[in-house]
Amino acid sequence: NFMLTQPHSVSGSPGKTITISCTRSSGSIASNYVQWYQQRPGSSPTTLIFEDTHRPSGVPHRFSGSIDSSSNSASLTISGLKTEDEADYYCQSYDSSTLWVFGGGTKLTVL
Amino acid sequence: EVQLVQSGAEVKKPGESLKISCKGSGYSFNTYWIGWVRQMPGKGLEWMGIIYPDDSDIRYSPSVQGQVTISADKSINTAYLHWSSLKASDTAMYFCARADGIRSWFDPWGQGTLVTVSS
Repeated sequence: NFMLTQPHSVSGSPGKTITISCTRSSGSIASNYVQWYQQRPGSSPTTLIFEDTHRPSGVPHRFSGSIDSSSNSASLTISGLKTEDEADYYCQSYDSSTLWVFGGGTKLTVL
Repeated sequence: EVQLVQSGAEVKKPGESLKISCKGSGYSFNTYWIGWVRQMPGKGLEWMGIIYPDDSDIRYSPSVQGQVTISADKSINTAYLHWSSLKASDTAMYFCARADGIRSWFDPWGQGTLVTVSS
C-alpha cells in the first residue's frame, strides 16, 4: 500500500500561477496514472486531469498536470488564477490491493 | 447528458439499516463501473468500493470491507450502498461516480447523499 501526500493548503493572487504537489510514499509515481479532482464548497468533485496530463473537454487550459519521477510526485499547475478556482483539490491513483487511493486534499485560497 | 442522481439525505439512529441509491442516465449503465466515495465532515475523499453492473463484479476497500454492501440493479440503471447496522461514525456525505475501467477516473459524480447517524 502507498499514500499520496498533498500540502494542506496553498494560496495565490488572481492572475498568478500556483502548483499543488502529490507525493507517492512508495513505489513509482509513474507506475499508475494520476488524476486530479476539484471540489468547490458544497459541490461534488469534478475531474480536472486524467491519466497524468489530460484535460477532459471543458476544462480550461489554465489547468495542467505533470509527473516528476525524480521527486516521485505528480503536480497540478493552475495559471492565471481566478477567484472561482478557490476550492479543494485531490489527487488520485491506484494501488494493487486497495485499488483507488486519494490524496488528503489541498485547500486553495485565492487572495 | 450523462448523469448520476443520488437519493436524498437520510437521518438514522445507530443500529438501523439503510440503503442509498445512485441512478445513471444518458449512457449504457451496464458497461461502466460505478464507484462509491465517502467524505466525512470536514475531511477528504475516501474510496469505498466499485461495481460493474453487467456482472456485479465488486471490489471493496479493505477499510470498509464487511461494513457495507455494494450492489446494482441493471434493469433500472441503479447502484446501491447498503448498511445493515449503522454507527455514528458512518455520518458522512457519500458520492457515487462513474468510471470506464477498474483503473480509470471518476466522471461524472453524483450530487452526493448526506447520511447522518445520531441517537
